[in-house]
Amino acid sequence: EAQVTQNPRYLITVTGKKLTVTCSQNMNHEYMSWYRQDPGLGLRQIYYSMNVEVTDKGDVPEGYKVSRKEKRNFPLILESPSPNQTSLYFCASSLSDRREAFFGQGTRLTVV
Amino acid sequence: GNSVTQMEGPVTLSEEAFLTINCTYTATGYPSLFWYVQYPGEGLQLLLKATKADDKGSNKGFEATYRKETTSFHLEKGSVQVSDSAVYFCALSDSSWGKLQFGAGTQVVVTP
Repeated sequence: EAQVTQNPRYLITVTGKKLTVTCSQNMNHEYMSWYRQDPGLGLRQIYYSMNVEVTDKGDVPEGYKVSRKEKRNFPLILESPSPNQTSLYFCASSLSDRREAFFGQGTRLTVV
Repeated sequence: GNSVTQMEGPVTLSEEAFLTINCTYTATGYPSLFWYVQYPGEGLQLLLKATKADDKGSNKGFEATYRKETTSFHLEKGSVQVSDSAVYFCALSDSSWGKLQFGAGTQVVVTP
């Protein structure tokens, strides 16, 4: 089954404790992105990747890091999480630009 | 830059009522347009799409027509069901590396 898999689904952590949210897709897609969803703001892109070792900032990259060492994986790293990063996070992949994106189930992160 | 504006919710309807969610966009080029749906506790799923002017996307009884002259992509369904209760997102994608620009989302609540 074609899918984007994120882990964990839920995470509560404390300020400053480094964490990683994993994302994996099995569709051999070139493009992968991370979004955060906040009430009234829709989804905003954090980082994106066009291919292995090619990444760039989206609209709200501050406080986040990514890497793309393999085509299928695109982890999101929060080196020092802060409460304003409490949000619902989605990973997405697509075959190319202007094509529809496939989304993971989401990771609800709470930073206290 | 690109932007998407959609009507605020929540929109509350009775079963079998007609649904319209307005969406307008601003883009410098010729974007592809999408409607995504998010059911409670789930990720986003593509509902329908249109890639050029005058295209009509349709799926599960929902329709939307790409209107370049009014820069709009309004979502319609003739007879909603309780199972259509969800949050609906209008989005566009241009050639900028697969980035999706989302509207804020419209919550739709259908009552029996």
